[in-house]
Amino acid sequence: QQQVKQSPQSLIVQKGGIPIINCAYENTAFDYFPWYQQFPGKGPALLIAIRPDVSEKKEGRFTISFNKSAKQFSLHIMDSQPGDSATYFCAASPVQSSASKIIFGSGTRLSIRP
Amino acid sequence: EAGVTQFPSHSVIEKGQTVTLRCDPISGHDNLYWYRRVMGKEIKFLLHFVKESKQDESGMPNNRFLAERTGGTYSTLKVQPAELEDSGVYFCASSTGFNYGYTFGSGTRLTVV
Repeated sequence: QQQVKQSPQSLIVQKGGIPIINCAYENTAFDYFPWYQQFPGKGPALLIAIRPDVSEKKEGRFTISFNKSAKQFSLHIMDSQPGDSATYFCAASPVQSSASKIIFGSGTRLSIRP
Repeated sequence: EAGVTQFPSHSVIEKGQTVTLRCDPISGHDNLYWYRRVMGKEIKFLLHFVKESKQDESGMPNNRFLAERTGGTYSTLKVQPAELEDSGVYFCASSTGFNYGYTFGSGTRLTVV
């Protein structure tokens, strides 16, 4: 079964809007929650990540909100730009080590309209 | 530094044929991972090498898939014989293992017809 559930599958937002992508997980052994951004023809690239000991992390226009009790986390993109159009993957990794495998969500194809 | 290099970038083969994908990790990265994304679904873990040893191969779908990492440098993933359901994008990633920072390659798009 899918360990990290991501929604929506696709999202269209006007420039300047705030797209929100949501993810949920079940496994309490997950200890690291990264978001990856993928442009067409490229591999996923780490965008921002959070550990469960904080409820929010902000890097530039990108913010992760984390709700440990609900086992949910989300990505917000402030002042979205057409260049943000990409596929976004949430992910989670167990606590064993920093070299552990990453479990990905199914991805959200985001399109920012000019 | 050079990134993770994968080739070929695309491969179209017939069902029953054999295909070998190659990944060159970032120099000095002991950890090498293979992942696969089937159309529209999640990126799924296949296996993890630490140097030349298989650390975790729990994601390998069946014995038609064989991964090797000779001398702890580049890695190959062979599919023999290929089936239609093997179609997808195969990603390789590497890391130092001292933090969670994977670097992914651009992937190999495999189409089995």
